[in-house]
Amino acid sequence: DAGVTQSPTHLIKTRGQHVTLRCSPISGHKSVSWYQQVLGQGPQFIFQYYEKEERGRGNFPDRFSARQFPNYSSELNVNALLLGDSALYLCASSQPASRGTYEQYFGPGTRLTVT
Amino acid sequence: AQRVTQPEKLLSVFKGAPVELKCNYSYSGSPELFWYVQYSRQRLQLLLRHISRESIKGFTADLNKGETSFHLKKPFAQEEDSAMYYCALHTGGFKTIFGAGTRLFVKA
Repeated sequence: DAGVTQSPTHLIKTRGQHVTLRCSPISGHKSVSWYQQVLGQGPQFIFQYYEKEERGRGNFPDRFSARQFPNYSSELNVNALLLGDSALYLCASSQPASRGTYEQYFGPGTRLTVT
Repeated sequence: AQRVTQPEKLLSVFKGAPVELKCNYSYSGSPELFWYVQYSRQRLQLLLRHISRESIKGFTADLNKGETSFHLKKPFAQEEDSAMYYCALHTGGFKTIFGAGTRLFVKA
C-alpha cells in the first residue's frame, strides 16, 4: 500500500477561481480528514468524513466543502479563492478506534498557491 | 476554548543533552493527546499517544491534567531526532487540534 495519496502535488490558481483537491485513503480506512497548513503554523482542521458523511467541521467559511465517495476517497473543494487560501492541504485517513488509540496517517499534501 | 500551545518555535540542543518539548492544552473534556513528528522531506506521522504510556525512539510524554500539559521528553538527544514536532489534541471523536509546532535541532 502506498499509503495516503493526494493529487495534485502542487498547483497555482488565481483569486476568484475554484479548486478541487483529491485524496485516496489507505486501503480499509473509512475516515478521511482534511487540514490546512499555513507556513509556520500547525495543521488546522477543516473536515472529517466517515462512511461518506461529514462528522466534523472546523472554523472555515462555506467556500470550503468536501465529499467522500463510496470507495472512501475524498475531494476538498474551495470556491472563490483568496490569497489567504495559499497553504499546504493535508489529507489524513484513519480507522475507527477505541478512546485514545486514534491514529491518523497523513498524505504528502497538496501545495496550493493563489496569485 | 479548545487550544494547544507549544511555546517554543525552535529548540536547539547538543547531542547527548536532555530534551523537553513543551505542550499545554485547553479543553473542558477528557483529553486525548498525541505527539506527531515530521522529519525532513517526510510525511507527518504519529510519534506517541498519551494513553499508551509508551516510549518511542526514547521519547516519553506524561499527561498532567493539573497543569494541562503533555510535554515530550528524551534523556539523551540524537542527531536523527532533528525534526518538527507537533502536539495534538483529539476532541469529541471528530476533530484534532494541532499546536504550532516546535522545530528541534540537535547539534553534533
